[in-house]
Amino acid sequence: EVQLLESGGGLVQPGGSLRLSCAASGFTFSSYAMTWVRQAPGKGLEWVSAISGSGGRTYYADSVKGRFTISRDNSKNTLYLQVNSLRAEDTAVYYCATSRDILPGPNLYFYYWGQGTLVTVSS
Amino acid sequence: QSVLTQPPSVSGAPGQRVTISCTGSNSNIGADYAGHWYQQLPGKAPRLLIYADNNRPSGVPDRFSGSKSGTSVSLAITGLQAEDEGDYYCQSYDRSLSGWVFGGGTKLTVL
Repeated sequence: EVQLLESGGGLVQPGGSLRLSCAASGFTFSSYAMTWVRQAPGKGLEWVSAISGSGGRTYYADSVKGRFTISRDNSKNTLYLQVNSLRAEDTAVYYCATSRDILPGPNLYFYYWGQGTLVTVSS
Repeated sequence: QSVLTQPPSVSGAPGQRVTISCTGSNSNIGADYAGHWYQQLPGKAPRLLIYADNNRPSGVPDRFSGSKSGTSVSLAITGLQAEDEGDYYCQSYDRSLSGWVFGGGTKLTVL
């Protein structure tokens, strides 16, 4: 059974940083691209970042480029999102999701989802 | 403002058929990029419902189906059930944004 378990969320002041983690199990982690998607309270879904199975290719939404960094440790079956220079508008539940391809191509979709971790940016 | 436009809400009685549209442009769906659909029940994480325009993952009932025409994709739900009530999102790739995009979401109410 595929399981994705996010952690690392919390309350942080504007300008602060957090490191989100997503522990994966039930599949060959290194064989699949992974993605972060967020959802602000009461709002819709927003794609944030994606990474290839090897970790060699990364992609970011314009809204987070230069502030967020996606990475993965295939030896630990874990996906990360380093979030820096946080703003109030970054407040959201952050979901990790897996694809069914090793590279995040244009027809990428998000097959399995975790339950999410809440990041609240407030003073 | 999403580049994929969905109606904010749709409704139907139990047993009825409803459709949810997702209209894009020649930068995304119209550029022959696939459309995908997700269901989000209240308080839950999203769940993949339809991928690559009209394919169902294992475990998704055949009451859910997808189609594509031009710059739009659509989700049809037949035999509407109370447990279908929730939010539905379309998703595709946009070449102008060089990234993956979601529609704004549609709230389905079962009357």
